[in-house]
Amino acid sequence: ILNVEQSPQSLHVQEGDSTNFTCSFPSSNFYALHWYRWETAKSPEALFVMTLNGDEKKKGRISATLNTKEGYSYLYIKGSQPEDSATYLCAPDRNNNDMRFGAGTRLTVKP
Amino acid sequence: EAQVTQNPRYLITVTGKKLTVTCSQNMNHEYMSWYRQDPGLGLRQIYYSMNVEVTDKGDVPEGYKVSRKEKRNFPLILESPSPNQTSLYFCASSLWTGANEKLFFGSGTQLSVL
Repeated sequence: ILNVEQSPQSLHVQEGDSTNFTCSFPSSNFYALHWYRWETAKSPEALFVMTLNGDEKKKGRISATLNTKEGYSYLYIKGSQPEDSATYLCAPDRNNNDMRFGAGTRLTVKP
Repeated sequence: EAQVTQNPRYLITVTGKKLTVTCSQNMNHEYMSWYRQDPGLGLRQIYYSMNVEVTDKGDVPEGYKVSRKEKRNFPLILESPSPNQTSLYFCASSLWTGANEKLFFGSGTQLSVL
């Protein structure tokens, strides 16, 4: 079983604050790391797929980094907005479709 | 529009009454998968399929069946539903998992088994 941990479980920030959260996973047999954004009453949507150690991806105010040697990824949100409120899921993927989702970090951005 | 269509959105049933949740994608994706979401837990994989007539168990396959007779469809079958299968279910597809392709999710099915 691939043990995926995301922290914190939930986070409340004020509009305009920058924030970040963590995804930890076993570093062995690493293949790819997915980040998804899941708004309430909607479907999860892909943010990033990262494969290389040291990879950095950016989409607007959201960015992510990857450390495959130590088994973690950070997701950063700069200048949080209320529309960023969602649950952020990470899913490391090992070879042959051994992909597991973390329980997610639930972000609430207060206006 | 590229999408994964899942039906129904909501379903209330009784213990033991067979049901099927349908999933269809129009993106010609090889890979399809079913997940369930329960409070405090991540999305847990039930079954997945790498291509037509190829299906494999995920982490929590007990009590479920699937079939992949056509590339676009991947129904989830509960032969004899039980209350512990009350959950939010998602179908997802991707071009091929080995190519680091992102998953596209359906809109979800909230199932309640009484």
